[in-house]
Amino acid sequence: NAGVIQTPRHKVTGKGQEATLWCEPISGHSAVFWYRQTIVQGLEFLTYFRNQAPIDDSGMPKERFSAQMPNQSHSTLKIQSTQPQDSAVYLCASSLPYWGASYEQYFGPGTRLTVL
Amino acid sequence: GEKVEQHESTLSVREGDSAVINCTYTDTASSYFPWYKQEAGKGLHFVIDIRSNVDRKQSQRLIVLLDKKAKRFSLHITATQPEDSAIYFCAARMPNYNVLYFGSGTKLTVEP
Repeated sequence: NAGVIQTPRHKVTGKGQEATLWCEPISGHSAVFWYRQTIVQGLEFLTYFRNQAPIDDSGMPKERFSAQMPNQSHSTLKIQSTQPQDSAVYLCASSLPYWGASYEQYFGPGTRLTVL
Repeated sequence: GEKVEQHESTLSVREGDSAVINCTYTDTASSYFPWYKQEAGKGLHFVIDIRSNVDRKQSQRLIVLLDKKAKRFSLHITATQPEDSAIYFCAARMPNYNVLYFGSGTKLTVEP
């Protein structure tokens, strides 16, 4: 079990460029979550999928952020026209469904995005 | 939505002493309370959790207490070791809803 895999680990973009972050959940986990971590705001929920379907994106900035889960093995978070305030560590987590044997969310190592 | 407050931003203890981190939450419906540990440059690592049907849970040197009436829960680390040094996050979750709401984190330093 390799755990949740996130790539790249570090990404530097110029203001206005696009950034795509990748997450590979643990095999068999049907829930995938994206969180953002900054010094100022702490850990914030962005969006989550269950069985590849988007369930809740209430934490996503509406205009430039989008997330997809095209298959069971990966999810992407895309940020268009990146701004310096998007600089953060983006964490992906996966879990069994809440009705499953374990509620635990397993986190990946994160992608540190720096927007210059 | 749920708001979780983590009361200690930093905590320093001597090796072998106990460390206590306290959190409060606002939504009485919250029923699941995990704790995560984050070491420098790494993601969150699950350490222990407690569900609302119990008020105490222990796993080796870790004890979690839950006071539903006060909407408060706490992590007790006994016989601390230098490798316990990290940032600890508490979180809360409501039933039938998977999203975790996190506290702001406590940086624990265990001094030899």
